[in-house]
Amino acid sequence: DAGITQSPRHKVTETGTPVTLRCHQTENHRYMYWYRQDPGHGLRLIHYSYGVKDTDKGEVSDGYSVSRSKTEDFLLTLESATSSQTSVYFCAISKGLQETQYFGPGTRLLVL
Amino acid sequence: GDSVTQMEGPVTLSEEAFLTINCTYTATGYPSLFWYVQYPGEGLQLLLKATKADDKGSNKGFEATYRKETTSFHLEKGSVQVSDSAVYFCALMVDGGQNFVFGPGTRLSVLP
Repeated sequence: DAGITQSPRHKVTETGTPVTLRCHQTENHRYMYWYRQDPGHGLRLIHYSYGVKDTDKGEVSDGYSVSRSKTEDFLLTLESATSSQTSVYFCAISKGLQETQYFGPGTRLLVL
Repeated sequence: GDSVTQMEGPVTLSEEAFLTINCTYTATGYPSLFWYVQYPGEGLQLLLKATKADDKGSNKGFEATYRKETTSFHLEKGSVQVSDSAVYFCALMVDGGQNFVFGPGTRLSVLP
C-alpha cells in the first residue's frame, strides 16, 4: 500500500471556523490531490499540486485553499467552514499527471 | 465535458452470483479507464485499468474491457463473495487531462 496518511480522520466544527486538513506521503510522489466525496457525485477534485509551492484549482475549489511547502505534505484549508462543506475528504498521490492515483484513508468532516 | 455514468445501485446479490456493473463515458479526448473499489471505512483502491481500446483489465477475479465503439467499460465477476461488498467507482483520465473524472459509485452488497 502507498504510504499516505490523513489527519485528522474525523472532525466536527462550527460554521465560520477555519479548518485545516493534512495529507502526508512517504512515497516521494510529485503529484498530490484533494477530493471531496458526496453521495451521488462520486469524487470531485478540489485542488491539486504538481510540486512544492505549485498548485492549481480543480472542479470545486471555491471556499478552499491549499499549500505545499514540502514534497510530503499537502494541506487543505477551509477558510470559513460552511455546512455545504460537510463531506468526506480524500487525498491522493501519483508519480505523474496521468498515472494511477493512490488514495489516503479519508477525513470525515462535519460542519454544524 | 468529460463524464462517467454508472448504475448507482445498491446492487444486492447472493454469494457466487454473476456481477455486472455498467459504466459508460463521454470524453473529449482518448481516455484511460479505471475501476476503483472502496471498502467500508477505507479510501479508494485501484482495482483495474485499461489504457487503450480492446484492452482488458483484470484483478482479483474482476474484469473489464475497454470498448471504444460503445464508450463502455463494464465491470464483471463470475462469482462474487461476501468480501466483495463495497462501493465501486468507474473513472477516466483523458490524455493531457489534469485529473480523474469519477462516476457516482455503485454500492454492492453480497449476501451469504
